[in-house]
Amino acid sequence: GAVVSQHPSRVICKSGTSVKIECRSLDFQATTMFWYRQFPKQSLMLMATSNEGSKATYEQGVEKDKFLINHASLTLSTLTVTSAHPEDSSFYICSATDRGLSYNSPLHFGNGTRLTVT
Amino acid sequence: SQQGEEDPQALSIQEGENATMNCSYKTSINNLQWYRQNSGRGLVHLILIRSNEREKHSGRLRVTLDTSKKSSSLLITASRAADTASYFCATSTTSGTYKYIFGTGTRLKVLA
Repeated sequence: GAVVSQHPSRVICKSGTSVKIECRSLDFQATTMFWYRQFPKQSLMLMATSNEGSKATYEQGVEKDKFLINHASLTLSTLTVTSAHPEDSSFYICSATDRGLSYNSPLHFGNGTRLTVT
Repeated sequence: SQQGEEDPQALSIQEGENATMNCSYKTSINNLQWYRQNSGRGLVHLILIRSNEREKHSGRLRVTLDTSKKSSSLLITASRAADTASYFCATSTTSGTYKYIFGTGTRLKVLA
């Protein structure tokens, strides 16, 4: 149980275009989803927290107009990288939890999306 | 930065040996969790220890938590080549918004 599906796994796009990444919880209700960014051999940096039906909370330094997050249902959150530039190339990972259970619920992760902007 | 620190950054051991990784964090927590990440993949949850617990076991894993020192350790006993991965601690804080902050990670390599 507790499977999170993230698509696409890899995407290459041209500078200036937008890319949408989907994160779906397949067998549980994801009341809260987190989006992380990871550079090679580094840790996960939290970009934003999204709760179903409300606006995402962005971490300091993350441009909310560039990284659009939508959490329209209990099973789907999307991250759209708008007007992508080469410096946006990175590994993006989503995670989900059912906070309704307790604050001590583990995070369930997607397999990540490798974004390359040329 | 709220990010926790882990040490060592990298660890290389022989199969059968034990591996110990340490994590330090900065704020009061609800719980601390350990995750494993194989190269280029998502993270897999290993074990969760609550703030009122001091030690927890799961198979070959042993986790300790010292809230007075704001630190935790993960011990993998009788390591296997398949344990080769990066290991991260993550903390859920008691203040501010509900979120998880990850440590810097330890890259473990187990040599067969």
